[in-house]
Amino acid sequence: GQNIDQPTEMTATEGAIVQINCTYQTSGFNGLFWYQQHAGEAPTFLSYNVLDGLEEKGRFSSFLSRSKGYSYLLLKELQMKDSASYLCAVQDSGNTPLVFGKGTRLSVIA
Amino acid sequence: EAEVAQSPRYKITEKSQAVAFWCDPISGHATLYWYRQILGQGPELLVQFQDESVVDDSQLPKDRFSAERLKGVDSTLKIQPAELGDSAMYLCASSPQGNTEAFFGQGTRLTVV
Repeated sequence: GQNIDQPTEMTATEGAIVQINCTYQTSGFNGLFWYQQHAGEAPTFLSYNVLDGLEEKGRFSSFLSRSKGYSYLLLKELQMKDSASYLCAVQDSGNTPLVFGKGTRLSVIA
Repeated sequence: EAEVAQSPRYKITEKSQAVAFWCDPISGHATLYWYRQILGQGPELLVQFQDESVVDDSQLPKDRFSAERLKGVDSTLKIQPAELGDSAMYLCASSPQGNTEAFFGQGTRLTVV
């Protein structure tokens, strides 16, 4: 089976840095994805990691350790508009569907 | 910019009625997914198509749910009869063949009363 865990809720201050963790247990591994989802809207793609290490994209970075079954999403210089749910998803082999965690609801406060 | 189109955006139906959702994926995307998302949860796969063929429908409640993609382009998801527990967001996503990133539509929010 597949199991993906991430914290349910987090709160952070505008301008700060926040790290959202994700741990996974899957039968195979073909990549880990992070999506952002604002309330009532569709998930939008943020990042993709298939090799160990850090992928940086503007204010957002994502890290992967395959041996530990662990990833994190790092958000820098937080803005109010970053308040959203952040979904961790794993693909266990090519062309199989993404399996999503339950999402982490991030609230950015002034 | 190409988008996945879904309709309707919102649907309210009475339990035991039939309801249908439509999805038009990004042009050229061979893989199409239907996901269901309950409030506060992550999306859960219902069915995956590769062109017109079903690849994975192991989580589709086949006694009441059906999905088709007859020409390998747009797709319809049907529920008959609807139950109160079917209230959720139904998301359609597509990806290019051989690619792994999935692009999501705006979803259909279903409320069963």
